[in-house]
Amino acid sequence: DAMVIQNPRYQVTQFGKPVTLSCSQTLNHNVMYWYQQKSSQAPKLLFHYYDKDFNNEADTPDNFQSRRPNTSFCFLDIRSPGLGDAAMYLCATSRRRGAADTQYFGPGTRLTVL
Amino acid sequence: SQQGEEDPQALSIQEGENATMNCSYKTSINNLQWYRQNSGRGLVHLILIRSNEREKHSGRLRVTLDTSKKSSSLLITASRAADTASYFCATGGGADGLTFGKGTHLIIQP
Repeated sequence: DAMVIQNPRYQVTQFGKPVTLSCSQTLNHNVMYWYQQKSSQAPKLLFHYYDKDFNNEADTPDNFQSRRPNTSFCFLDIRSPGLGDAAMYLCATSRRRGAADTQYFGPGTRLTVL
Repeated sequence: SQQGEEDPQALSIQEGENATMNCSYKTSINNLQWYRQNSGRGLVHLILIRSNEREKHSGRLRVTLDTSKKSSSLLITASRAADTASYFCATGGGADGLTFGKGTHLIIQP
């Protein structure tokens, strides 16, 4: 059974048109992460939530925002997508915030910007 | 900044052969993890090795860690076509999230 679910799997948007990506988890984990992975590159952390505590990476563009209305759901909002934002967006969870905790990834949402 | 760097970037071997991938990192770590990513999919955790461990096994996987050289290796024995994927090492975690290396793309030829 899927534990980290991302919807949609494929998203096409137009340049400058806001888009929201969704992630849900059935693991009841405290921590949820959003990563951006561009073609043939490593995933790059955008931000994460520890419970309701939001932590933004220093180099994450202001264009990217996130919401976590409850333990199960986390959203990635891209306010004005540019061509450079086309990428795979990966959601992950972990039970604890500790360094030795495994992260569980969803299948990703591939975003295309026209 | 990039923490882990894998090499080789791409590796193609015959089914049944062993595959070895290496990872180097720059700063001190508490642990190092390896993940697999099938094409167009999310990442799957393979194994975690702590900084006080030198070697760890899981099925056909063997991971080594040399903290003096700031390097780790992942060995997949008796490779199968289903092992075709990209493999990433990752450090950090916790409050800072994971920092991934660039990955090794492994192709197993039938």
